[in-house]
Amino acid sequence: EVQLVESGGGLVQPGGSLRLSCAASGFTFSSYWMSWVRQAPGKGLEWVANIKQDGSEKYYVDSVKGRFTISRDNAKNSLYLQMNSLRAEDTAVYYCARVPDILTPFDYWGQGTLVTVSS
Amino acid sequence: SYVLTQPPSVSVAPGQTARITCGGNNIGSKSVHWYQQKPGQAPVLVVYDDSDRPSGIPERFSGSNSGNTATLTISRVEAGDEADYYCQVWDSSSDHPHVVFGGGTKLTVL
Repeated sequence: EVQLVESGGGLVQPGGSLRLSCAASGFTFSSYWMSWVRQAPGKGLEWVANIKQDGSEKYYVDSVKGRFTISRDNAKNSLYLQMNSLRAEDTAVYYCARVPDILTPFDYWGQGTLVTVSS
Repeated sequence: SYVLTQPPSVSVAPGQTARITCGGNNIGSKSVHWYQQKPGQAPVLVVYDDSDRPSGIPERFSGSNSGNTATLTISRVEAGDEADYYCQVWDSSSDHPHVVFGGGTKLTVL
């Protein structure tokens, strides 16, 4: 059974940093693109970043470029999102999601972890 | 950047057919994916590549895509179908492929 379990969310002050993790199981992690998608309270879904199977390609939404870094450790079946210079507008539930390949859908999602940026 | 437009809400009586649209410039040339999200839960893929269904998704869920509009159709609507629905495409028009979601449609079962 495919499982994606996010962790690392919490309350952080504006300008602060946080590192999210996503533990994957039930599939060959190294064979899939992986993504982060977020959802602000009461709002819609927003794609944040993608990373290729071997980590050689990474893509970001413009609003997080230069502040967020997506990475992965295939030996640990884990996906990460390092978030720096956090802003109030980054407050959201962050989901990790599996993507079989570019142009394909997000076929499995984790349950999400809440990040709150507030003083 | 590419924009997907969905109606904020759609209402339908049980047993009737719900149609949720997703508008975008020449969206018919792209593959559209649809997600269902119930309150407090993660999204679930219900239709991919315009009209295909993942295993476990009822045949009542179907999709179409042509011209500037993609449509998710839910036949014989049940109370359990009440949820937010999002369309999604990949946009390759910039220097790298990125993901675009529609704003979401809240389906209310009357």
